[in-house]
Amino acid sequence: EAQVTQNPRYLITVTGKKLTVTCSQNMNHEYMSWYRQDPGLGLRQIYYSMNVEVTDKGDVPEGYKVSRKEKRNFPLILESPSPNQTSLYFCASSGGTGSYEQYFGPGTRLTVT
Amino acid sequence: SQQGEEDPQALSIQEGENATMNCSYKTSINNLQWYRQNSGRGLVHLILIRSNEREKHSGRLRVTLDTSKKSSSLLITASRAADTASYFCATHKAAGNKLTFGGGTRVLVKP
Repeated sequence: EAQVTQNPRYLITVTGKKLTVTCSQNMNHEYMSWYRQDPGLGLRQIYYSMNVEVTDKGDVPEGYKVSRKEKRNFPLILESPSPNQTSLYFCASSGGTGSYEQYFGPGTRLTVT
Repeated sequence: SQQGEEDPQALSIQEGENATMNCSYKTSINNLQWYRQNSGRGLVHLILIRSNEREKHSGRLRVTLDTSKKSSSLLITASRAADTASYFCATHKAAGNKLTFGGGTRVLVKP
């Protein structure tokens, strides 16, 4: 089954404790992206990747890191989480140039206390 | 920045009625897409309309695009309780593969 998976689905952590949210897709998609969703603000893009080893900042990259060492994986790293990063996070992928429909993962609800 | 802005923010209708929501955007686009999100879950792609298209249909969905007004509308005909969800428009610009989402319209379909 074609899908985007994220782990963990729920995470409660404390300020400053480094964490990684994993994202994996099995569709051989070139493009992957991370979004955060906050009430009243819709989805905002954090980082995106056009292909392996090619990443770029989205609209709200501060406090986040990403890497794309393999085509299928695109982890999101919070080196020193803060309470303002409490949010619902989504990973998405799409086929790349000419293929614009994005497939979303189920989401990761992160709480930073 | 939010490229698309949906209107209304919330909509409540009876089952069987039509639901219409609008999206306005600010800059030139390659295509515009509509997504559905059930409460707290991942978004699901509904339909894509390219900048050179004016209208598109998919099942009970009808999307229009007016590039001169920088606006789009999504019509759901003969709504069902299962259509209860948030609906988002997303614009895709010519360069890269970035989507920019609006704030969404929450639709409640009452049985």
